Amino acid sequence: AQSVAQPEDQVNVAEGNPLTVKCTYSVSGNPYLFWYVQYPNRGLQFLLKYITGDNLVKGSYGFEAEFNKSQTSFHLKKPSALVSDSALYFCAARGGSTLGRLYFGRGTQLTVWP
Amino acid sequence: ETGVTQTPRHLVMGMTNKKSLKCEQHLGHNAMYWYKQSAKKPLELMFVYNFKEQTENNSVPSRFSPECPNSSHLFLHLHTLQPEDSALYLCASSQDAGQGSTGELFFGEGSRLTVL
Repeated sequence: AQSVAQPEDQVNVAEGNPLTVKCTYSVSGNPYLFWYVQYPNRGLQFLLKYITGDNLVKGSYGFEAEFNKSQTSFHLKKPSALVSDSALYFCAARGGSTLGRLYFGRGTQLTVWP
Repeated sequence: ETGVTQTPRHLVMGMTNKKSLKCEQHLGHNAMYWYKQSAKKPLELMFVYNFKEQTENNSVPSRFSPECPNSSHLFLHLHTLQPEDSALYLCASSQDAGQGSTGELFFGEGSRLTVL
């Protein structure tokens, strides 16, 4: 079965510290991987994607994510967290092509403390 | 501004009412989606349309009726809903074919539905 797992419901980090939000995936074929962010009462906003090429991809607002094929992971990272980064983060994946269903994780609530 | 517009942003309705949610995308995409987001639950994919044709219906109750008159517009018609249908309903679009497409979804801001 194809799926995306975000093992942590919540991540808490102090402002200025590095943050990591974890994601692992299970899809058929080469994965297309995405991160989205959702602020309260808003829709999901696209942050970054991995399709092919360099395993480290850079996205909006200083976020980056590292694709690790052997560990089937795509963790979201930021070197220095901001209070304004506090939001709900979703990892998503589809397998093999740009067609077909996009599988979402359950989301991770990130809270950055001042 | 994501290029996907949803109206209304907030809707309160009784269980016997009939209402509709509207979604319009200005991105030239050929696929549109309805998702349901409830508190403490994963995102639920409800319906998928490709080139105006419904390609996925994930066992959604018949009190939810989608309509896709063209590739830019998507509706969700609601009737005789239950209180447990209260949720944020998200519309999304994507370009699911053609060279250069990477298939990411672009979401609207959502319609917050409360069923009394």
